[in-house]
Amino acid sequence: SQTIHQWPATLVQPVGSPLSLECTVEGTSNPNLYWYRQAAGRGLQLLFYSVGIGQISSEVPQNLSASRPQDRQFILSSKKLLLSDSGFYLCAWSDGRGGDTQYFGPGTRLTVL
Amino acid sequence: DAKTTQPPSMDCAEGRAANLPCNHSTISGNEYVYWYRQIHSQGPQYIIHGLKNNETNEMASLIITEDRKSSTLILPHATLRDTAVYYCIVRVFYTGNQFYFGTGTSLTVIP
Repeated sequence: SQTIHQWPATLVQPVGSPLSLECTVEGTSNPNLYWYRQAAGRGLQLLFYSVGIGQISSEVPQNLSASRPQDRQFILSSKKLLLSDSGFYLCAWSDGRGGDTQYFGPGTRLTVL
Repeated sequence: DAKTTQPPSMDCAEGRAANLPCNHSTISGNEYVYWYRQIHSQGPQYIIHGLKNNETNEMASLIITEDRKSSTLILPHATLRDTAVYYCIVRVFYTGNQFYFGTGTSLTVIP
């Protein structure tokens, strides 16, 4: 069966510091991968999605970036965090062979101080 | 994607069926109805989805009206672990199309 991992689970970072969140998927190949952010009391916002290694689509312009160095690895980064970057970051995957149901990871709670 | 309307909260007795309604009167012909739930501080969990026909899996049943303007998620025997926020989402089925999670229904299962 497929599983999706995210780490760290929680993170507290000062403003202006860099960020690296990692997401990995097991049990499938060529998945579509997604990064979402869920702000407190609000819905999910799609940040990036990827249909293959090195292929990243950005949905919202911001100081975040994403990379996919391996088939089942998706990384969310920032060079300098802003207070507004605080939130719950979720990675999701869907079947790259045509399935579009997205399955979410456990999330990373980021607090920028 | 079509907008959905759900009651903000519901209670259900443990062991009874939980019926969660969703209105999506502006749904178009190529939009699917998805249900997810989110337990506090966890990632959303996929439950079920359908287009026109009723669907059932090991977690729940999805009943879609004939005109597709509303649907009901049924948890046949609610347990305390089913306490969560339930989201009804209507969306076109294609890669890269995000899921818009609204406010959902906060279901509390009562012992």
